[in-house]
Amino acid sequence: QQQVKQSPQSLIVQKGGISIINCAYENTAFDYFPWYQQFPGKGPALLIAIRPDVSEKKEGRFTISFNKSAKQFSLHIMDSQPGDSATYFCAASIAGNTPLVFGKGTRLSVIA
Amino acid sequence: EAGVVQSPRYKIIEKKQPVAFWCNPISGHNTLYWYLQNLGQGPELLIRYENEEAVDDSQLPKDRFSAERLKGVDSTLKIQPAELGDSAVYLCASSSRDPSDPDTQYFGPGTRLTVL
Repeated sequence: QQQVKQSPQSLIVQKGGISIINCAYENTAFDYFPWYQQFPGKGPALLIAIRPDVSEKKEGRFTISFNKSAKQFSLHIMDSQPGDSATYFCAASIAGNTPLVFGKGTRLSVIA
Repeated sequence: EAGVVQSPRYKIIEKKQPVAFWCNPISGHNTLYWYLQNLGQGPELLIRYENEEAVDDSQLPKDRFSAERLKGVDSTLKIQPAELGDSAVYLCASSSRDPSDPDTQYFGPGTRLTVL
């Protein structure tokens, strides 16, 4: 049973464009939703995270939108840059140092 | 502040051989996780430690995998014997109970295992 479904599997965006990655979860007990960025040969690194008490969180060019009723959340990367080319993972957990349940990842390529 | 340290970074072994991975978490982090990442997939939990106690090991294949976290700091993950399907990246992560950052998991660079 896949608890966190992520789409698309891959994404190509022009430099300066908006990258959008979507995730849906099943477990209504989840209350912590981070996005991780992973470059080849590196471990995942936290990009931005949201809790269900807010519908949107913005940090620089990165925004998470959260829809609790639909059990969906998405990552928006504004003004996408070639340096953003990486694999992005959404995840979910129950707050309190519990294990993260990851989506399968989205490979983003930003082309000039 | 040093991040999560893992070694070795790469390991190539013959099937049926044993292998061990080492992780040193961020100083002061009580919770340590081992995740398995197959190619093109997201990480999946193998085991979680709170200090030296394994509190979630339901996904650890105990017939061949074992782990320990003596003294609640460093941890070792072992596979004996390794099988071809064990080829993957083994990630270690740690987190703290700091109220200002209670849920962030910090990942190490991983150990890429190839079983021939």
